[in-house]
Amino acid sequence: EAGVAQSPRYKIIEKRQSVAFWCNPISGHATLYWYQQILGQGPKLLIQFQNNGVVDDSQLPKDRFSAERLKGVDSTLKIQPAKLEDSAVYLCASSSWTGPQSGNTIYFGEGSWLTVV
Amino acid sequence: EDQVTQSPEALRLQEGESSSLNCSYTVSGLRGLFWYRQDPGKGPEFLFTLYSAGEEKEKERLKATLTKKESFLHITAPKPEDSATYLCAVQAGVSSNTGKLIFGQGTTLQVKP
Repeated sequence: EAGVAQSPRYKIIEKRQSVAFWCNPISGHATLYWYQQILGQGPKLLIQFQNNGVVDDSQLPKDRFSAERLKGVDSTLKIQPAKLEDSAVYLCASSSWTGPQSGNTIYFGEGSWLTVV
Repeated sequence: EDQVTQSPEALRLQEGESSSLNCSYTVSGLRGLFWYRQDPGKGPEFLFTLYSAGEEKEKERLKATLTKKESFLHITAPKPEDSATYLCAVQAGVSSNTGKLIFGQGTTLQVKP
């Protein structure tokens, strides 16, 4: 079974530039997450989609970050304009979570490593 | 506020020297506690899910246990290939509609031959 696919794996940009990351979840997984992991820390949730609707984006810096999941499958996370503190790994994850009564395991992709200089 | 704290931050072991990693949590209604392994340059790899106090799960040299306040990841006779960062996360709120994980900062394990 194919895992969560992400691209690009590595990106270096200058501050104030823009960048976009793409994610393809595990087939059949309705729930998709974007996490940010700063070096030396655990991942932090940015946004969660259930199919193509947003469930939780409370920690997404909406002045510069945006995400979409058209057609309920692939997703794109965009940062514009980037700041130095956005240097991190952006992890996409997916699960079969459908609500509080369902069990789920969250599976992660390899991550997209962003360096802002 | 839901919180996860892992200790120690870093652990160095000799090959064959058993030890334990700790994950303490405060959460409003635990749905599940997850352990992940993360190798440098890779995403977290799922290891275990524990759902209730007293539950234990094993995989090769790893054994995870759960109490009402903490979880332990026991590593028996570790090998150099067990070197990685181990992440603990909780899924909080029996009525939560998000299923999101709240992570600790991780324990970086180095096993020397």
